[in-house]
Amino acid sequence: DTAVSQTPKYLVTQMGNDKSIKCEQNLGHDTMYWYKQDSKKFLKIMFSYNNKELIINETVPNRFSPKSPDKAHLNLHINSLELGDSAVYFCASNRGSAGELFFGEGSRLTVL
Amino acid sequence: GIQVEQSPPDLILQEGANSTLRCNFSDSVNNLQWFHQNPWGQLINLFYIPSGTKQNGRLSATTVATERYSLLYISSSQTTDSGVYFCAVGQGNTPLVFGKGTRLSVIA
Repeated sequence: DTAVSQTPKYLVTQMGNDKSIKCEQNLGHDTMYWYKQDSKKFLKIMFSYNNKELIINETVPNRFSPKSPDKAHLNLHINSLELGDSAVYFCASNRGSAGELFFGEGSRLTVL
Repeated sequence: GIQVEQSPPDLILQEGANSTLRCNFSDSVNNLQWFHQNPWGQLINLFYIPSGTKQNGRLSATTVATERYSLLYISSSQTTDSGVYFCAVGQGNTPLVFGKGTRLSVIA
């Protein structure tokens, strides 16, 4: 059984479009995250959610909006996509912020 | 925020060789993990090790929290060990902060 799953795994789209990436975890964790990995492999936190509340929001453009319908899901919606948004987006989860973090397989977004 | 530095940035090994990867961090932490990102991009959990020593097969890790560093040992390296190794640390309720990684290439 996949612990943290993301869809889609690959996404190719045009500048200006709006897209969403979905994430689900079946580990019973209470905190979920979105990380962005750029072309240089740097992994940077974008958002984290604890019990459906946003607890940290790094300096991410407001074109990015996380949505959590319940504590097992954290979706990422991106408006007005730009070339610089091309990256791999990873969803992750843990139990409490000090618990072991588990990642999904990543979603590679390419903006043309 | 906390700073994480990994060394070396790149490492090339002959199959069968041993290696040590280092992670230095700038403040006290309550979470430290080592990950392996394989050539397919998957982030694989290696160790959850905020302190102490753990071993898993050919891999072992040690974190000396009071001196703010962690070491990952790879023994008898194999080509399948190739990829990028990340150290990530967390403090309090903050999400894990990642180092820039060590890119390892194991040559047959």
